[in-house]
Amino acid sequence: GDSVTQMEGPVTLSEEAFLTINCTYTATGYPSLFWYVQYPGEGLQLLLKATKADDKGSNKGFEATYRKETTSFHLEKGSVQVSDSAVYFCALSPGYQKVTFGTGTKLQVIP
Amino acid sequence: DSGVTQTPKHLITATGQRVTLRCSPRSGDLSVYWYQQSLDQGLQFLIQYYNGEERAKGNILERFSAQQFPDLHSELNLSSLELGDSALYFCASSVNEESPLHFGNGTRLTVT
Repeated sequence: GDSVTQMEGPVTLSEEAFLTINCTYTATGYPSLFWYVQYPGEGLQLLLKATKADDKGSNKGFEATYRKETTSFHLEKGSVQVSDSAVYFCALSPGYQKVTFGTGTKLQVIP
Repeated sequence: DSGVTQTPKHLITATGQRVTLRCSPRSGDLSVYWYQQSLDQGLQFLIQYYNGEERAKGNILERFSAQQFPDLHSELNLSSLELGDSALYFCASSVNEESPLHFGNGTRLTVT
């Protein structure tokens, strides 16, 4: 079945550091890929998405590129802020079934 | 605000009891999903409905059931509750099965 593997957390970075959170997936066909973010006490929010190979999703300074050859969708940000502290979930959707989420990666940014 | 409303926000109950969690999807969304989030198991998919019909089932226990009503709101029923059922239960909705999910803020269930 479909699956998503994320790097283990927590990830602790200083403000203005570069962020990478790795995500790889296993799926049949060509799923859409997503990053969701969960702030403390809240539900998940869509951060960005990509629907086909080589697409780059971007939002709020975060980027991720759909790499079919490596089945990856790594999340990057050039300069993190304290307000980016949250849990980040990579997810995939084959378009006709349930969305499959990774286990989440907690990011803590310290001033 | 995602537009997805979940009630109640918090629920404390005893083992063996039954509870009902309610979800109102975003206006216009036909698909409703239920997820369970616990510390040790992450975000687990329970069940999905589309326009009143069950579409997909995940790791949902037999003690749990759900339905989506004609007005598209959904209810998740949890019965014979056990301590291990304590978790955050999220509802999400989407326009269709290819669209991103919009999550509610969850119902925190504590079983004592």
